[in-house]
Amino acid sequence: SQQGEEDPQALSIQEGENATMNCSYKTSINNLQWYRQNSGRGLVHLILIRSNEREKHSGRLRVTLDTSKKSSSLLITASRAADTASYFCATAPNNAGNMLTFGGGTRLMVKP
Amino acid sequence: DTEVTQTPKHLVMGMTNKKSLKCEQHMGHRAMYWYKQKAKKPPELMFVYSYEKLSINESVPSRFSPECPNSSLLNLHLHALQPEDSALYLCASSPSLLAEETQYFGPGTRLLVL
Repeated sequence: SQQGEEDPQALSIQEGENATMNCSYKTSINNLQWYRQNSGRGLVHLILIRSNEREKHSGRLRVTLDTSKKSSSLLITASRAADTASYFCATAPNNAGNMLTFGGGTRLMVKP
Repeated sequence: DTEVTQTPKHLVMGMTNKKSLKCEQHMGHRAMYWYKQKAKKPPELMFVYSYEKLSINESVPSRFSPECPNSSLLNLHLHALQPEDSALYLCASSPSLLAEETQYFGPGTRLLVL
């Protein structure tokens, strides 16, 4: 079953602009992860944020987590055409080990 | 080697056929997963193996039969599938079932059932 919702479902921006994607979830979680998927291929792990963390950075990526609102956001700064992909949040609920439930995903297109 | 490989890349099968999908990893991971992904939808967990034993079966129909012959290999046997089973089937692995461990995904097998 789908744990979370992501918005927007699709986002189109120009190269150099920032892209922000949001994710909401329903249950208590151990951590929240973001994955990237290029055009119907495998997923690549981007970043993990624990439930006791509020913000995390990795290169051009910034993730925030608000457990009181059960929401997270992924910001990609200075986007590039190569960032064009689908982005999914995935939650690992408490006491469920590494059983990930993915959100609906945001399809990002970065125009050169 | 941080790669998960899947074969075949593409598969077309009739509803009466029997086929198998194969997944392999050589990272020493002891947890392996099968996901199903329909077009423009998120991946949905089907099966989880931990130390070669089936840990989770997310109410998947019996026409899908997983097998973990050793710690590096994961198979998904397909029999009497329906057209609605057409999807991208993704395999993943992680060091264990502990939360906070990254799952590494293969490129997937794109299955078409006619």
